[in-house]
Amino acid sequence: EAAVTQSPRNKVAVTGGKVTLSCNQTNNHNNMYWYRQDTGHGLRLIHYSYGAGSTEKGDIPDGYKASRPSQENFSLILELATPSQTSVYFCASGTGGGGTEVFFGKGTRLTVV
Amino acid sequence: SQLAEENSWALSVHEGESVTVNCSYKTSITALQWYRQKSGKGPAQLILIRSNEREKRNGRLRATLDTSSQSSSLSITATRCEDTAVYFCAAASSGSWQLIFGSGTQLTVMP
Repeated sequence: EAAVTQSPRNKVAVTGGKVTLSCNQTNNHNNMYWYRQDTGHGLRLIHYSYGAGSTEKGDIPDGYKASRPSQENFSLILELATPSQTSVYFCASGTGGGGTEVFFGKGTRLTVV
Repeated sequence: SQLAEENSWALSVHEGESVTVNCSYKTSITALQWYRQKSGKGPAQLILIRSNEREKRNGRLRATLDTSSQSSSLSITATRCEDTAVYFCAAASSGSWQLIFGSGTQLTVMP
């Protein structure tokens, strides 16, 4: 079964601090995604990647960076965390475009105080 | 406004009843996916229906797609308490790899 593992599962960060959210997939999928989920907004795409070394901006990239050092790992980086970035973050992986299934991790709850 | 949107914020039914979640979208699509998210978990795909299909079934689930009205529905028959979850539609935009998620419908199935 497809497996996407996120760490940490919960994180409290201080405003202005640096936060790194990590994601590992054992599916050998080329595509990986970072979404955030807020009440009333569903899932919004932050960054995505087509493979190792590539990162692309999604719909709401401001304030976030991403890194894909290998096929398996995809990180989301908040260089200067703000309270508005308090949210639940999901990593996902998939084989192709929107016509294929996307497999999600369990999510990371980030609180910026 | 969102490019994909469920038509109800929340629905509640009693066990054994049937329920339908509706979705509308505002883009040309290659496929429409339905996901379910249980509390504390990530979304999981239920059904993928391609733009040239009108109906798809998966056990107690039935999805329909009407590309002329840009709408889709997900019906669940013989509901169970464990069907309680948030249900999302996700539109796969033509010419793009992206999945555009709706805000979700909270379905509560009561004993």
